[in-house]
Amino acid sequence: DTGVSQDPRHKITKRGQNVTFRCDPISEHNRLYWYRQTLGQGPEFLTYFQNEAQLEKSRLLSDRFSAERPKGSFSTLEIQRTEQGDSAMYLCASSLRLAGTAEQFFGPGTRLTVL
Amino acid sequence: SQQGEEDPQALSIQEGENATMNCSYKTSINNLQWYRQNSGRGLVHLILIRSNEREKHSGRLRVTLDTSKKSSSLLITASRAADTASYFCATDALEYGNKLVFGAGTILRVKS
Repeated sequence: DTGVSQDPRHKITKRGQNVTFRCDPISEHNRLYWYRQTLGQGPEFLTYFQNEAQLEKSRLLSDRFSAERPKGSFSTLEIQRTEQGDSAMYLCASSLRLAGTAEQFFGPGTRLTVL
Repeated sequence: SQQGEEDPQALSIQEGENATMNCSYKTSINNLQWYRQNSGRGLVHLILIRSNEREKHSGRLRVTLDTSKKSSSLLITASRAADTASYFCATDALEYGNKLVFGAGTILRVKS
């Protein structure tokens, strides 16, 4: 399967714990995005990378959130000191952005439940 | 903030009928995209329409774009039970930088 993959698919954690999610984009894609989606809502942008550079972060991304894409391939999203409000589906997407616009290919998501 | 607003929030139709979903947005766009999401899964890209296009077709899908009204519609013809999903419009706009801004979606249920 050459699509976007995410791991784990589900994560249950206790409030205050740290969690880390991984995203493997489509190999030739230079852009990687993280979104958060809560029940009944559309995805909300968190951050994106072009190659290994993190170019934009949403105000939703508090200082407890950190994302990396060390070699311009896979990316990790870490949430420190989780809170119940962090419970959501975390979606990763990738695209090949050359000139103009491009569709984004989404992974299956990681569903986080904070107890 | 979500720039796209879909209408209706939910739609229930019989198999074989057509389904129309609408999306309104606020700023000038580069393009508008429609995505489908099956329950609890990732999003699947359906179609992209650029700001200088008015209509686009892909199989049973027809998308229109009216930039003067800042609105788009997605028509699914001859619906099937497998079309049951949430449908989201997403805008790519210079004002919002290099990201997609999604609406809250329309939940479509196709009854067999």
